[in-house]
Amino acid sequence: DTEVTQTPKHLVMGMTNKKSLKCEQHMGHRAMYWYKQKAKKPPELMFVYSYEKLSINESVPSRFSPECPNSSLLNLHLHALQPEDSALYLCASSQREGLAAPHNEQFFGPGTRLTVL
Amino acid sequence: AQSVTQLGSHVSVSEGALVLLRCNYSSSVPPYLFWYVQYPNQGLQLLLKYTSAATLVKGINGFEAEFKKSETSFHLTKPSAHMSDAAEYFCAVLSGTYKYIFGTGTRLKVLA
Repeated sequence: DTEVTQTPKHLVMGMTNKKSLKCEQHMGHRAMYWYKQKAKKPPELMFVYSYEKLSINESVPSRFSPECPNSSLLNLHLHALQPEDSALYLCASSQREGLAAPHNEQFFGPGTRLTVL
Repeated sequence: AQSVTQLGSHVSVSEGALVLLRCNYSSSVPPYLFWYVQYPNQGLQLLLKYTSAATLVKGINGFEAEFKKSETSFHLTKPSAHMSDAAEYFCAVLSGTYKYIFGTGTRLKVLA
């Protein structure tokens, strides 16, 4: 299985809603990532979990809250978002055990298209 | 600090023509470089990567890239474009263990 899955595919939410994005991989990867991608722009890194611990937080607003319940799952909890948070949210995974960093390319999921009204 | 620059935000080629997408890097250490492709409303898919094993790297879908240290370049090429190659292409350099520094992307259009 060489796939990263993300649910839901599309999400529309109001500014007062609470929702969650989910990501799953079964490749045995030990690092998982959240990216935000605006139209016609490259992905921007938000968070990195390594061995289920938060490793990188790129100064993301607290209305985004990541969670890594186990080595296969990654969630992104959303609360009180703003319209400018509308974007494609991508999950990725990497880092098979025993391989050095450059050989551990990131595998991306298809993304969740989020619209905040 | 490491960075990559992609020259040309839009490239158009005729079907069957050579594809050349440009990427130049800046790095004080030997870089690890990647090319990804993104089709509309999809995630990124790895095309190929350079990890210092060989300067000419072959990837999926007939793409290849050559690492040229003297030119600080890692351009992506394909001998013959196909309509299905139309997509956004991103060059990236690995900074540390986890962080990709992406270029701004090049949108490839293939003309019939």
